[in-house]
Amino acid sequence: AQSVAQPEDQVNVAEGNPLTVKCTYSVSGNPYLFWYVQYPNRGLQFLLKYITGDNLVKGSYGFEAEFNKSQTSFHLKKPSALVSDSALYFCAVRDINNNNDMRFGAGTRLTVKP
Amino acid sequence: DGGITQSPKYLFRKEGQNVTLSCEQNLNHDAMYWYRQDPGQGLRLIYYSQIVNDFQKGDIAEGYSVSREKKESFPLTVTSAQKNPTAFYLCATRLTNTGELFFGEGSRLTVL
Repeated sequence: AQSVAQPEDQVNVAEGNPLTVKCTYSVSGNPYLFWYVQYPNRGLQFLLKYITGDNLVKGSYGFEAEFNKSQTSFHLKKPSALVSDSALYFCAVRDINNNNDMRFGAGTRLTVKP
Repeated sequence: DGGITQSPKYLFRKEGQNVTLSCEQNLNHDAMYWYRQDPGQGLRLIYYSQIVNDFQKGDIAEGYSVSREKKESFPLTVTSAQKNPTAFYLCATRLTNTGELFFGEGSRLTVL
């Protein structure tokens, strides 16, 4: 079965600095990879996904992620962090052969300080 | 507006009571899901349904039940058999095989 690891519970960055939220995955076949963001007491909002093609994926609010097959990673990045980016971020993976088994990481809390 | 509506937003329950969480969607998506979120554990799948009148257990189905009588609706019942029901519950839908999930705003259940 597939799985996702988000090795950092918490990431702190200063406003204006670049940010990276790490994600590694494990699947038996080819992965579909996703990033979601959650604000307090809200549902998850979709940021971006990798299905196939270009390894660098651009998404909402200036976020991007790079698919690295050899390292089985899908790190989320943003060149310049905003205070409003502070939230809980989830990485998720789905095996292309199982549409209903999406696995989520435990989440990384991003705090951007002014 | 198109979207997913979960109700109630907050719910308190006494031990031994069953409660039903509502999930309604007007996105015309076939697949619907229920997840449970606990701090530090990410999301865990309770039940999912790919089509009307069909649903499947997820990883933590014990103590929960669902129905899918209409495409738009996928209610979740938390029964008294669920040992630790206090959690944040999220309903989601999916349009395509490669597509992302769309989430409702969640329902927070607290057992007193």
